[in-house]
Amino acid sequence: AQSVSQHNHHVILSEAASLELGCNYSYGGTVNLFWYVQYPGQHLQLLLKYFSGDPLVKGIKGFEAEFIKSKFSFNLRKPSVQWSDTAEYFCAVDSGTYKYIFGTGTRLKVLA
Amino acid sequence: SQTIHQWPATLVQPVGSPLSLECTVEGTSNPNLYWYRQAAGRGLQLLFYSVGIGQISSEVPQNLSASRPQDRQFILSSKKLLLSDSGFYLCAWSPGQGAEKLFFGSGTQLSVL
Repeated sequence: AQSVSQHNHHVILSEAASLELGCNYSYGGTVNLFWYVQYPGQHLQLLLKYFSGDPLVKGIKGFEAEFIKSKFSFNLRKPSVQWSDTAEYFCAVDSGTYKYIFGTGTRLKVLA
Repeated sequence: SQTIHQWPATLVQPVGSPLSLECTVEGTSNPNLYWYRQAAGRGLQLLFYSVGIGQISSEVPQNLSASRPQDRQFILSSKKLLLSDSGFYLCAWSPGQGAEKLFFGSGTQLSVL
């Protein structure tokens, strides 16, 4: 069965620090990969997605993620975080069966 | 434009009572529909998904069931709630053609007492 692991459950950073959130999945075939974000009091929304092509994908608000097939990873990065990036971040995988599996989430707190 | 409606927003139910949460999507046809439960430290747990009317896939054996009586309606039910059914339930949809992003509803906070 597919699974998604997010290694960091809670991350606290100061503004302007760099961010990297880990995501690993277990599935040997072709996958579609996603990062979603949930800001306090808001709905989950898509941050970025990877289907094929360039393994480095760019999303909204300066976020990017790199798909490394050999490592089954899809880590999320941002060079310089802002206070407004405080949110919970979820990695998700779809193996083409319309069944989206999510990780446990990472709560990011950015200190002003 | 497409919208997703989920209700109620909050619900307090006694143990052993039935449950019915409803989700409807507007502005699209033949969507894929999903029920997730979100719990602290456990992320989003996929409960059920449906790729068409009457087609329900169950991911987690438990006290809940789902039905899709109409193309854009997805219902989460229970005949007898347990304390462990408490949680935040999210409905979501995605376009039926190809892998696409999920669009989430506003969720239902269920408390079973």
